[in-house]
Amino acid sequence: DAGVTQSPTHLIKTRGQHVTLRCSPISGHKSVSWYQQVLGQGPQFIFQYYEKEERGRGNFPDRFSARQFPNYSSELNVNALLLGDSALYLCASSFAGGPGYEQYFGPGTRLTVT
Amino acid sequence: AQSVTQLDSHVSVSEGTPVLLRCNYSSSYSPSLFWYVQHPNKGLQLLLKYTSAATLVKGINGFEAEFKKSETSFHLTKPSAHMSDAAEYFCVVPQREGGSQGNLIFGKGTKLSVKP
Repeated sequence: DAGVTQSPTHLIKTRGQHVTLRCSPISGHKSVSWYQQVLGQGPQFIFQYYEKEERGRGNFPDRFSARQFPNYSSELNVNALLLGDSALYLCASSFAGGPGYEQYFGPGTRLTVT
Repeated sequence: AQSVTQLDSHVSVSEGTPVLLRCNYSSSYSPSLFWYVQHPNKGLQLLLKYTSAATLVKGINGFEAEFKKSETSFHLTKPSAHMSDAAEYFCVVPQREGGSQGNLIFGKGTKLSVKP
């Protein structure tokens, strides 16, 4: 079975631009979470979606938004990019939301903002 | 609030010697705890998880961890390091309170180097 897939693998954007990152969960998984990993740090939680509804949001500005589609894939959008948004963006899927469900991570999208 | 603290940012061992990566946790709940590994330019892989069944948890690639409630610790060990173990290791606790239950709270990571 395919694992969690993310696209694109790498992305270079300019300050002020907008970016869309995509994630496809493992087949049968209904929950998707997004994390930001800045170089040298552990991942930080951004969003969690379950059954197309937002179930949780981390401490990120409103420039960050996400959605989940009927096929459970997800998009993370970031507007008005700042240099500090440069990071590895990780998507994780689980069968359902909640602390009892194991999360499986994709390889990530490396975003560089210049 | 829940949190995990990884006590070492960098650990260096020689191939064939034991590995110890230290993690302390803080939680008002009986926690679940995980260790994840991240190889360079790769995603995160679950090494092992504690979910209040057995306190000694065995994971993949010969790693194991022991949950010690009295010490609020969940240290990761391996009897004999291999060159392929060189990676970043994260101690993780899932959030169990507030509006984002289930999201993972990561420690800052421990970089393991293995010398030949």
